[in-house]
Amino acid sequence: RKEVEQDPGPFNVPEGATVAFNCTYSNSASQSFFWYRQDCRKEPKLLMSVYSSGNEDGRFTAQLNRASQYISLLIRDSKLSDSATYLCVVNMVGGSSGSARQLTFGSGTQLTVLP
Amino acid sequence: DGGITQSPKYLFRKEGQNVTLSCEQNLNHDAMYWYRQDPGQGLRLIYYSQIVNDFQKGDIAEGYSVSREKKESFPLTVTSAQKNPTAFYLCASRSRGSNTGELFFGEGSRLTVL
Repeated sequence: RKEVEQDPGPFNVPEGATVAFNCTYSNSASQSFFWYRQDCRKEPKLLMSVYSSGNEDGRFTAQLNRASQYISLLIRDSKLSDSATYLCVVNMVGGSSGSARQLTFGSGTQLTVLP
Repeated sequence: DGGITQSPKYLFRKEGQNVTLSCEQNLNHDAMYWYRQDPGQGLRLIYYSQIVNDFQKGDIAEGYSVSREKKESFPLTVTSAQKNPTAFYLCASRSRGSNTGELFFGEGSRLTVL
């Protein structure tokens, strides 16, 4: 079983749709969680961190379910510019160590928003 | 503007040749990382360095070498021992005291072995 698993997609949705991605992780000791966005042939960029209580940033909502060991990303009112690959990233130990040694990247979920 | 610069952006090499990818950052970050990304796969850690003159192997270090003589620079050499070097290589850095988990990435170097 992969340490961090994502549905690769692709997800093709019309503009204005709501779309949700899930990501499961295998290590129950994982401490911190993130969603990165990667445009085609570009570098990944941090989209948002995922907090235990869930957090929202505009049209984006991230949730963490420790009991079931998954995190989710919800995008409301999809825009054409949301088309990208979304990477789930899990830090296996406390994130304040300053080391990304324990950061594990999922393989990404590809989203295409259609006009 | 602060950031990470990787060069070259595209590189072609013949089998059996070593090639060095440059990574420079002016963010004053202590930690730097090299990742490899293959199509449809997540990022895999090659090497990382948390301080000058020190570096550690990641998950797929075989066939690669690095140096960290300056805080700003973390070059990666892809040696002829690397069996399948064609890939997208990403350099990243992070503040050592960061608790946000944010890695700052360069634009990447796309290496193709002919």
